[in-house]
Amino acid sequence: QSALTQPRSVSGSPGQSVTISCTGTSSDVGGYNYVSWYQQHPGKAPELMIYDVSKRPSGVPDRFSGSKSGNTASLTISGLQAEDEAEYYCCSYAGSQKVFGGGTKLTVL
Amino acid sequence: QVQLQESGPGLVKPSETLSLTCAVTGYSITSGYYWGWIRQSPGKGMEWIGSMYHSGSTYYNPSLKSRLTLSVDTSKSLFSLRLRSVTAADTAVYYCARDNEPYYFDFWGQGTLVTVSS
Repeated sequence: QSALTQPRSVSGSPGQSVTISCTGTSSDVGGYNYVSWYQQHPGKAPELMIYDVSKRPSGVPDRFSGSKSGNTASLTISGLQAEDEAEYYCCSYAGSQKVFGGGTKLTVL
Repeated sequence: QVQLQESGPGLVKPSETLSLTCAVTGYSITSGYYWGWIRQSPGKGMEWIGSMYHSGSTYYNPSLKSRLTLSVDTSKSLFSLRLRSVTAADTAVYYCARDNEPYYFDFWGQGTLVTVSS
């Protein structure tokens, strides 16, 4: 199972919106509604931001939203804040295994 | 609040076995959920290693399956990873996490760096 494809980096100014894509295949992203997204600050453990494509865990701001179309999932962060600057990883269930994306560095300008 | 804490040697010699333990507090392993391991190589992305249920049911990353054993000790509320015949490519930060449903990881340990070197 190959890693999911994410852009290496994205950037945006405070208050703007950014979208991070996560492209897989019909065997993972396209085949299941089980995509999750994780935020990771340097030196810290990942934190769950989105699960089951578009659900937010308790405590995650509603500025974070997820969606999926075909084999591509997306994470959108609206109203960018300085603390959103981090690495973001997508992950998809792929039938008795899981596959991660390569990660996207979000820079808040 | 569910908390997880990894422990184990920080340095392992090539060809030897990497062994890590994850202690779970704030939740009983036997109450449900899968429990998993994920690793992150320096400067690289994340890789799911495998997950297991408290009953012993497991599912492994196919690329690691031949070298991997996951186990659980419900009496001590901990689960363990053993990766045999390690090489430098196994150098990474290893995380344990609760594997919910099991489709996503909702609670993570802080991670522990394991270096494979002679």
